[in-house]
Amino acid sequence: GNSVTQMEGPVTLSEEAFLTINCTYTATGYPSLFWYVQYPGEGLQLLLKATKADDKGSNKGFEATYRKETTSFHLEKGSVQVSDSAVYFCALFHLSGNTPLVFGKGTRLSVIA
Amino acid sequence: GAVVSQHPSRVICKSGTSVKIECRSLDFQATTMFWYRQFPKQSLMLMATSNEGSKATYEQGVEKDKFLINHASLTLSTLTVTSAHPEDSSFYICSAGRSGRNNEQFFGPGTRLTVL
Repeated sequence: GNSVTQMEGPVTLSEEAFLTINCTYTATGYPSLFWYVQYPGEGLQLLLKATKADDKGSNKGFEATYRKETTSFHLEKGSVQVSDSAVYFCALFHLSGNTPLVFGKGTRLSVIA
Repeated sequence: GAVVSQHPSRVICKSGTSVKIECRSLDFQATTMFWYRQFPKQSLMLMATSNEGSKATYEQGVEKDKFLINHASLTLSTLTVTSAHPEDSSFYICSAGRSGRNNEQFFGPGTRLTVL
């Protein structure tokens, strides 16, 4: 079946450090891939997405590239801020919008000033 | 962008009572909505798939008599936690997919349930 594996946290970085959160997936065919962010006490927000191989999703300085050859969708940001402290979830699903997402376990990021 | 709302955002109830959580798609129609549960510091667990006009499909291990789902219209799904117990305390999140929108799903803000 479909699954998502992401690096376990927590990850603690200093402000302006480089961030990488690894995400790999197992799926048949060509799933769509997503990164969601959850700020403390809040629900999920879509951060970025990619729907086909070699696509790069980007938003708010975050980027992730859909790599089919390595089945990966690693999240990166060149310079993190304290306001980026949150839990980040990698997710995938197939085809139409009427299928549920498969989530990774989440990675908690803490950025200190 | 598409908006999904949930009500209430927080609820505290006594053991043994029932709690209803509403999930609404505000500016689009959703034939399918999903209910997830999130325990503290953990990922989301899919509880059930809610289909408009038919019975919900529950994931293995989720009690359908405990978590009643009703998808009465194309914009509203409700989750009722019946005879709540402290172990039901959790963050409940719904999502809805909009057809033809690049496979994106839209999440509600979540409902934090605390059972005393």
